[in-house]
Amino acid sequence: TQLLEQSPQFLSIQEGENLTVYCNSSSVFSSLQWYRQEPGEGPVLLVTVVTGGEVKKLKRLTFQFGDARKDSSLHITAAQPGDTGLYLCAGAGGYSTLTFGKGTMLLVSP
Amino acid sequence: NAGVTQTPKFQVLKTGQSMTLQCAQDMNHNSMYWYRQDPGMGLRLIYYSASEGTTDKGEVPNGYNVSRLNKREFSLRLESAAPSQTSVYFCATGTEYSNQPQHFGDGTRLSIL
Repeated sequence: TQLLEQSPQFLSIQEGENLTVYCNSSSVFSSLQWYRQEPGEGPVLLVTVVTGGEVKKLKRLTFQFGDARKDSSLHITAAQPGDTGLYLCAGAGGYSTLTFGKGTMLLVSP
Repeated sequence: NAGVTQTPKFQVLKTGQSMTLQCAQDMNHNSMYWYRQDPGMGLRLIYYSASEGTTDKGEVPNGYNVSRLNKREFSLRLESAAPSQTSVYFCATGTEYSNQPQHFGDGTRLSIL
């Protein structure tokens, strides 16, 4: 069973601060996806990283995929209250199944 | 433009009762998935269907059955509900390409007393 360790599990910060969320595995994934989930809704895709060493930016969010395709990170610059939510990383397996990390709950206070 | 529709949104059952969670998609995706989400546990795959007519077990299949009725619909059945099955259940759809996203419904919140 492939496992994804996500850290931290919970993060409470003030508006304007920077933060990084980590997603680590001992297994290699063909791709890694980051989702954001708001209360009462299903997860929504933020980004997919496929190539080792890849860096993708989505406004204030920067995603990196490790060279060995076993780990990834999400960095948020100048966090805003609208960034509050549960951030999930997920590694792609056979038949396009996904293995999810346990998630990072981010709370950004004004 | 519904995407993935799950019914019901909320349900309370007594231990031993049975029920079926319904999922329908208009994404024209071949693959469909059922997950459960528990506090601090992320999403865990229960069953999936890579294409119409096929189903396979995921990480936590015990106590559940599924039916891929047609390309659009994928149902999850609890034959004899147990308190340990209290959870939020999500249905998702996707393509056969691993770099493509899965699209999720808004979940069914199930409590078993």
